[in-house]
Amino acid sequence: ETGVTQSPTHLIKTRGQQVTLRCSSQSGHNTVSWYQQALGQGPQFIFQYYREEENGRGNFPPRFSGLQFPNYSSELNVNALELDDSALYLCASRKTKGAIAEAFFGQGTRLTVV
Amino acid sequence: AQTVTQSQPEMSVQEAETVTLSCTYDTSENNYYLFWYKQPPSRQMILVIRQEAYKQQNATENRFSVNFQKAAKSFSLKISDSQLGDTAMYFCAFPWRGGATNKLIFGTGTLLAVQP
Repeated sequence: ETGVTQSPTHLIKTRGQQVTLRCSSQSGHNTVSWYQQALGQGPQFIFQYYREEENGRGNFPPRFSGLQFPNYSSELNVNALELDDSALYLCASRKTKGAIAEAFFGQGTRLTVV
Repeated sequence: AQTVTQSQPEMSVQEAETVTLSCTYDTSENNYYLFWYKQPPSRQMILVIRQEAYKQQNATENRFSVNFQKAAKSFSLKISDSQLGDTAMYFCAFPWRGGATNKLIFGTGTLLAVQP
């Protein structure tokens, strides 16, 4: 059983650019959530995907968007990057959208916007 | 609105000793889970222990145990026989459900340093 993997581990982007982060969910998991963790803070919920559809969103602007694929892997896209988007982005997967107790996290992608 | 508060930004403990990390939360729900996650320098968020609110018995996982006080909305983590590998950020988390959404609400974390 493979765990949750995220790519890339680090990247640096320029303000105004666009970025795509990737997440492979754990085998057998159909729900993926994305979190943003600013330095020194706890993770903040961005959105959740269940069976290829977004079914929950936190307080993030529309330039944060995502996709989930038939194999339940997921992407997080951020357009028009701002300096405040610099953070660790965490992906978590679980077996069903209701099984919050079973969430497993990836190691995150560290995004730096300059 | 549900909130999670961790009032200890940093703590330090000597190897082999015991340390307690504090967490308080606010909710109007009656049945829920509470979690402690560990985030080492590798950055991966690892579930340490979980407590189900309807269970009166405090959860225990090896050297980790909780003191769950439902009426006081308090959920502290006790680490016994601290080891160097316990050095990490520790987050208390509360799962929130709204419609089809299940998300975790995290506290701001406690940085624990285990000293040799």
